[in-house]
Amino acid sequence: AQSVTQLGSHVSVSEGALVLLRCNYSSSVPPYLFWYVQYPNQGLQLLLKYTSAATLVKGINGFEAEFKKSETSFHLTKPSAHMSDAAEYFCAVGYTGGGNKLTFGTGTQLKVEL
Amino acid sequence: GAVVSQHPSRVICKSGTSVKIECRSLDFQATTMFWYRQFPKQSLMLMATSNEGSKATYEQGVEKDKFLINHASLTLSTLTVTSAHPEDSSFYICSARWQETQYFGPGTRLLVL
Repeated sequence: AQSVTQLGSHVSVSEGALVLLRCNYSSSVPPYLFWYVQYPNQGLQLLLKYTSAATLVKGINGFEAEFKKSETSFHLTKPSAHMSDAAEYFCAVGYTGGGNKLTFGTGTQLKVEL
Repeated sequence: GAVVSQHPSRVICKSGTSVKIECRSLDFQATTMFWYRQFPKQSLMLMATSNEGSKATYEQGVEKDKFLINHASLTLSTLTVTSAHPEDSSFYICSARWQETQYFGPGTRLLVL
């Protein structure tokens, strides 16, 4: 069975500050890991994904995440927050052979303040 | 690339009527599509997996006769909410799988009066 834990349902940062959104996973097989962003009343947009290649993954809009097997983590970071980054962020885990079904975390609402 | 569309984006219907939602992969073929439901301020709940040319696989607790899924082509899956009731009001999101990744549609807001 797989699970995802996102620590912090709400995170607030100042514009220009570091963004750190935490994601820990549990998987009995090598996982695929994803970060998606959702703006109000919209679907999910893929930010980045880890599929067993490089452990440091760069995504769109300046985001990146590092897969750390020893810590079972896949935290999302961005060096400098922008107002347009305010949204809901979801971490998800899947694996080959699992029908490509994803298990989602509960989401983290990112607020960016001036 | 990997664009998924949904139609309609918003629908209001009367209780007892049926509503069909379309999910299309615009620039790739998808043998597998997924249907999710999302309640306000909550995460996504997988309802079913739609496989082209075969019956959908429903998650536990999801009524297959209530939520009819058809995946008739490699670019189109439909979800029909039959005899809709107010408790079916929700945000429905589809995704299509391509290269081990799910790409999501923009969602459909259903309001049943």
